[in-house]
Amino acid sequence: AQKVTQAQTEISVVEKEDVTLDCVYETRDTTYYLFWYKQPPSGELVFLIRRNSFDEQNEISGRYSWNFQKSTSSFNFTITASQVVDSAVYFCALSEARSNYQLIWGAGTKLIIKP
Amino acid sequence: DTGVSQDPRHKITKRGQNVTFRCDPISEHNRLYWYRQTLGQGPEFLTYFQNEAQLEKSRLLSDRFSAERPKGSFSTLEIQRTEQGDSAMYLCASSLPGKQQGYTFGSGTRLTVV
Repeated sequence: AQKVTQAQTEISVVEKEDVTLDCVYETRDTTYYLFWYKQPPSGELVFLIRRNSFDEQNEISGRYSWNFQKSTSSFNFTITASQVVDSAVYFCALSEARSNYQLIWGAGTKLIIKP
Repeated sequence: DTGVSQDPRHKITKRGQNVTFRCDPISEHNRLYWYRQTLGQGPEFLTYFQNEAQLEKSRLLSDRFSAERPKGSFSTLEIQRTEQGDSAMYLCASSLPGKQQGYTFGSGTRLTVV
């Protein structure tokens, strides 16, 4: 069973639109961590955020915000006023004790921001 | 410190040849990870080191793959008798100890086996 599901394979929006990338995870651990990474065309994975399972407070960082809801096992990522430079593949990942805290990755969502 | 460095960035090799990749982690990071990523997929864990000790290897890591981190600093990943299915991006990451730490990734080595 997929532990991290990013159902949106590709999203295309026009610049300045808001866009939400979905992430649903599955774990039986009570202590776990959730991550979002950005992978631009250059290939490097850029760390965006880490959340632990005990902190459901939503976070905002500039145009980026994250909505963590344990009740629905979701950790969604919203970009407001999108820009062309936001175009990339975005990965959601989970680390849990039973997997020795190795990162378990979703398949990624390719985000295309059109000018 | 400029982050995690990987060399080479690109490697094209003929099937059956051996290849070796190098990763230089962030100097104070004692954990080092290797991942493989194929097109359209998320990275897949291969192996990780804490200092010079290789603590875990994925089942994906066949006996043609070997990784070392002899002095607890840089690491090498060698693939022997390469196959076309080995074509992928090989990513290295490092982190500080502690389960909650984030990982810093290098730019990867893209391997193409022809």
